[in-house]
Amino acid sequence: GEDVEQSLFLSVREGDSSVINCTYTDSSSTYLYWYKQEPGAGLQLLTYIFSNMDMKQDQRLTVLLNKKDKHLSLRIADTQTGDSAIYFCAEEPGANSKLTFGKGITLSVRP
Amino acid sequence: DTAVSQTPKYLVTQMGNDKSIKCEQNLGHDTMYWYKQDSKKFLKIMFSYNNKELIINETVPNRFSPKSPDKAHLNLHINSLELGDSAVYFCASSEGSSPLHFGNGTRLTVT
Repeated sequence: GEDVEQSLFLSVREGDSSVINCTYTDSSSTYLYWYKQEPGAGLQLLTYIFSNMDMKQDQRLTVLLNKKDKHLSLRIADTQTGDSAIYFCAEEPGANSKLTFGKGITLSVRP
Repeated sequence: DTAVSQTPKYLVTQMGNDKSIKCEQNLGHDTMYWYKQDSKKFLKIMFSYNNKELIINETVPNRFSPKSPDKAHLNLHINSLELGDSAVYFCASSEGSSPLHFGNGTRLTVT
């Protein structure tokens, strides 16, 4: 079955790195995603990784995938106050399959 | 030129009423979704349509009825609204294995 787990809250200082973790249970997942939700807004796709990759870097964002442990992480370098939001990881078993979201982690960036 | 647009953004109504939320996407995607986000920010899929055909129908009360007049539109009609229906409803679309693109959400408050 599918289940995605995330811790709930993370507070970091501006300029530090943030690491947000996620575990999932469906080993058949093809794609794994990170979405960002700012207050009162919709979900914005940040980045995603295909299951045959173990790392993807996109500017300040680094995604690490450990398929063996079914663990996904998002590292945000030089965290800014504008990064304060809720971050969701999500897994998708295949094209047009339903996306299963984690509970989301609230990232708070303090000056 | 918003990619996925939902109306209304806010909807306040009384228990027992019937209401509709509309969604339109101009991305040319063939699959559209409705997700529900509860007060704890947990996101759960409700429905998915591919080329106007229902392909995912999670355990949702039959008071909720999606309608897709064409592949660019997916509306959600809710009969006999209950307090527990209060949530943020997100529309999304995708094409093949592309990531989901979300609308900004409709915040429904049932009083």
